[in-house]
Amino acid sequence: NAGVTQTPKFQVLKTGQSMTLQCAQDMNHNSMYWYRQDPGMGLRLIYYSASEGTTDKGEVPNGYNVSRLNKREFSLRLESAAPSQTSVYFCASQSGTGGDYGYTFGSGTRLTVV
Amino acid sequence: GESVGLHLPTLSVQEGDNSIINCAYSNSASDYFIWYKQESGKGPQFIIDIRSNMDKRQGQRVTVLLNKTVKHLSLQIAATQPGDSAVYFCAEWVASGSRLTFGEGTQLTVNP
Repeated sequence: NAGVTQTPKFQVLKTGQSMTLQCAQDMNHNSMYWYRQDPGMGLRLIYYSASEGTTDKGEVPNGYNVSRLNKREFSLRLESAAPSQTSVYFCASQSGTGGDYGYTFGSGTRLTVV
Repeated sequence: GESVGLHLPTLSVQEGDNSIINCAYSNSASDYFIWYKQESGKGPQFIIDIRSNMDKRQGQRVTVLLNKTVKHLSLQIAATQPGDSAVYFCAEWVASGSRLTFGEGTQLTVNP
């Protein structure tokens, strides 16, 4: 009963390096989301995928790309990391579309860009 | 623009007291509201939700109140316990946007 699994849990990157954050869910959920959380702020949506094969931009998509590899997996890629991307990244999934379908969150990836 | 925000960034209460965490929203089209709890180092966890056609909903030790007239949402925690210490977020769902928008969060600290 893993729920939403994110890897890695911690990462330090140098400015300009690239990396991919992985997210997988085992609940057969249709929708998946990537959020970032900065100190003193709420979660801001980066990208989301309402269903397998579709992706859409959220509030803060610049500097990121995503891939909905299959129904289980939704990855977030930083092509050229910048210090402004230092944050905690959360992946979430949702079984349906609608406010009454709650989100299940992963435990987060803490990313530091130096 | 539309936003969800919280009145107070921090709240400190004594163990056993009741806690009230507030949230203001500005999108009158929001049709669903959810409260999440986030403990240190973990992802947010669902606490309780309420539809826009309701004004009150109760769970175990928690109650959510919705006042659509003034666009205000509150979370009441009865007999607050040390394990309730966390950051609490309200979030709103607008059907046209098809995703949740989160407020900034309130840090609740429960003193023994």
